[in-house]
Amino acid sequence: QLQESGPGLAKPSQTLSLTCFVSGASMSSDGYYWSWIRQHPGKGLEWIGYIYYTGTTFYNPSLKSRVTMSIETSKRRFSLNLSSVTAADTAVYYCASATCSTTPCHRPEFFQHWGRGTLVSVSS
Amino acid sequence: ETVLTQSPATLSLSPGERATLSCRASQNVSKSLAWHQQRRGQAPRLLIFNTCNRAAGVPARFSGSGSGTDFTLTISSLEPEDFAVYYCQQRSDWLTFGGGTKVEIK
Repeated sequence: QLQESGPGLAKPSQTLSLTCFVSGASMSSDGYYWSWIRQHPGKGLEWIGYIYYTGTTFYNPSLKSRVTMSIETSKRRFSLNLSSVTAADTAVYYCASATCSTTPCHRPEFFQHWGRGTLVSVSS
Repeated sequence: ETVLTQSPATLSLSPGERATLSCRASQNVSKSLAWHQQRRGQAPRLLIFNTCNRAAGVPARFSGSGSGTDFTLTISSLEPEDFAVYYCQQRSDWLTFGGGTKVEIK
């Protein structure tokens, strides 16, 4: 189970920070990649990036310059920082676990479990 | 970037009817294609992975097929809870989603 947490409002030019709390699974399990996805109001889904328990990250090239992810396996959580936000970053943000259909899993294939999502609005 | 194009954008059907949703990839993704369902006001949930494997708890009326660039999600007989938006998703270069198909009640 995954649960997003963080402010529902961010000001333009500031950094949006969210945390995802994980229960029912070990974050250090091989082949699980801890991901962030967002959905603009009334729109489709956009993958933001993922982090492995080793700290290795992979970000969407379109957001890479503004995204930082971190992980604390002992506290069963991982985080997203998105800098220099604008109104265009207003969206529902989901955390999810991603994995593969076979092992070893060096690059995730699909999102297996999703959090409920949290709406973040960017406004002054 | 591998672009996924879903069609139709909207499918209007009645309960009990068969639904056929299409997803076309701009380049070969082999069989690495997943489908997610998003009910109104809810988070997406995984239905199908690796083209044709149902996720845990997904009813047998959902099936997936295809390979390469053309994929299909079929719902054999629509139940009321199946009226939702469906997204295909791939990981060829990085992880991307199609634009979605909305299955609505006719």
